[in-house]
Amino acid sequence: AQKITQTQPGMFVQEKEAVTLDCTYDTSDQSYGLFWYKQPSSGEMIFLIYQGSYDEQNATEGRYSLNFQKARKSANLVISASQLGDSAMYFCAMREGRGSTLGRLYFGRGTQLTVWP
Amino acid sequence: DTEVTQTPKHLVMGMTNKKSLKCEQHMGHRAMYWYKQKAKKPPELMFVYSYEKLSINESVPSRFSPECPNSSLLNLHLHALQPEDSALYLCASSQPWANTGELFFGEGSRLTVL
Repeated sequence: AQKITQTQPGMFVQEKEAVTLDCTYDTSDQSYGLFWYKQPSSGEMIFLIYQGSYDEQNATEGRYSLNFQKARKSANLVISASQLGDSAMYFCAMREGRGSTLGRLYFGRGTQLTVWP
Repeated sequence: DTEVTQTPKHLVMGMTNKKSLKCEQHMGHRAMYWYKQKAKKPPELMFVYSYEKLSINESVPSRFSPECPNSSLLNLHLHALQPEDSALYLCASSQPWANTGELFFGEGSRLTVL
């Protein structure tokens, strides 16, 4: 079974609108971390936001917020006020166990976001 | 600007060549990673170094040989590669004891094997 599922291969959004990128995860660990990364065409993976399994509040970082629904095992990324520079591939990822362990990151297949003027 | 620097950004090599990819970070991180990414696919973990010791090898073929000379440097030595090894190779680093454990990635080295 896949540990991270991203069901949207591509998403389109108009500039200045908000967009939600879906992510569901599968783990039996009580302690885990969820990440979103952005990958522009240049190739670099840019860390956007982190949510720990014990965090009660949804994580926010500027225009990015993570809609964490633990019971549903979902960790959707919300980008508010989209900009043309947001066009990129977005990956959801999960680390099992505590951060102090060298757990590998499990990545989803990614969602290609295109922002149009 | 990324704090993880990878060189070269592009590399073309024949199947009989020997080449190396280099990665450098100055964030004081003690864990470093190599990932391989094919087009339109997520990154796949290859190797993990922790405190300069190899801790994870994801059954990578021996034609890929990692090396961690010190806590800031990570190399990937390439020898007798196949065309299917053409991919983006991403280096990443993290702090092993960090509560969140996020990885910081470089821009990658795009490898083409002819």
